[in-house]
Amino acid sequence: EVQLVESGGGLVQPGGSLRLSCAASGFTFSSYWMHWVRQAPGKGLVWVSRINSDGSSTSYADSVKGRFTISRDNAKNTLYLQMNSLRAEDTAVYYCARRGAVAGTGLGYWGQGTLVTVSS
Amino acid sequence: EIVLTQSPGTLSLSPGERATLSCRASQSVSSSYLAWYQQKPGQAPRLLIYGASSRATGIPDRFSGSGSGTDFTLTISRLEPEDFAVYYCQQYGSSPPETFGGGTKVEIK
Repeated sequence: EVQLVESGGGLVQPGGSLRLSCAASGFTFSSYWMHWVRQAPGKGLVWVSRINSDGSSTSYADSVKGRFTISRDNAKNTLYLQMNSLRAEDTAVYYCARRGAVAGTGLGYWGQGTLVTVSS
Repeated sequence: EIVLTQSPGTLSLSPGERATLSCRASQSVSSSYLAWYQQKPGQAPRLLIYGASSRATGIPDRFSGSGSGTDFTLTISRLEPEDFAVYYCQQYGSSPPETFGGGTKVEIK
């Protein structure tokens, strides 16, 4: 069974940093691109970032470019999101997600999310 | 960046009725890489439809997707009580970012 478990969320002051982790199990982690998606309280889904299977290629939403860094450790089956220079508008539940096994499919597997609150 | 506009914002219907949700893209979505998700309060999104019209594993056949280019539709043929939720479309065919629409809430009338 595919499992994605996020951790690392919490309360941080504006301008601070936080690193989120997503522990993956139940599949060959090193074979899949991975994504981060966030959702501010009461708002819609926003795609944040993605990383290819070996970590050599990354992409970001404009709103986080230059502040957030996605990375992965395939030996530890773990995805990361390093968040620096945090702003109040970064407050959200952060989900890690993976596409389904079928080519061309959407994000078929999601974690339960971890809440990041940026506030003084 | 491809902007996805979903309409209506809220759909008020009764169980057993048909729901038709729209997702319009600001430019053509390549290879119909358009997905639909369902989200209930306090839960992660669930993939319903990918490739504009293919149902994900385990999704009932009352859910169907259609469309191409810039206009896409999610149809729920007969609403069940568990279908009242928020629905999002997402495009993932172009260069990043992979954008989501703003969502349509399907509520009980």
